[in-house]
Amino acid sequence: DADVTQTPRNRITKTGKRIMLECSQTKGHDRMYWYRQDPGLGLRLIYYSFDVKDINKGEISDGYSVSRQAQAKFSLSLESAIPNQTALYFCATATGISSYNEQFFGPGTRLTVL
Amino acid sequence: AQSVTQPDIHITVSEGASLELRCNYSYGATPYLFWYVQSPGQGLQLLLKYFSGDTLVQGIKGFEAEFKRSQSSFNLRKPSVHWSDAAEYFCAVGAMGGNKLVFGAGTILRVKS
Repeated sequence: DADVTQTPRNRITKTGKRIMLECSQTKGHDRMYWYRQDPGLGLRLIYYSFDVKDINKGEISDGYSVSRQAQAKFSLSLESAIPNQTALYFCATATGISSYNEQFFGPGTRLTVL
Repeated sequence: AQSVTQPDIHITVSEGASLELRCNYSYGATPYLFWYVQSPGQGLQLLLKYFSGDTLVQGIKGFEAEFKRSQSSFNLRKPSVHWSDAAEYFCAVGAMGGNKLVFGAGTILRVKS
């Protein structure tokens, strides 16, 4: 079984809808991250969490919110989806004092907003 | 703030040929540098990382990278490319004492037989 899982893997939704992307990990890591990937832009950080009570905005948090329900679960919500949020979304985890230990990525969720 | 530039969007090499993927970073102090690979339909996997010490870093799958402070570069190399190396490659930089990575735009590698 995969260590970092994301659900759903693919999602098509309409403008204005609320949508939640979920991430679960079995690695026992404290740190979790949400990124979005757009062609030609690489990965950009949306939110990150160093433990259940510590959540931080990344460089592109507008229009998104997150919830760290437990050490193993980190959800990303789009309160009112818009077409320019169409992207590939990745969850990642890491451990250690420094965040520059290796980050382990999930398989991604492809989101299309019509 | 740190930034990363990967000048080549696409690169095509023949199987068995050598490979070099370029990465330039902008950061005022010693950076933490990474190369990740994304195979089609997969998440990202770490190839190698540089924090300090020897400027030539060995990674998985036969890859290596060299940190050159004078050129602000961290280029990825492989002496002989295999068809399975076809993927997208991302360079990333982090700041000492920071807690986030900044990724480059990626380079798509195509391998022709």
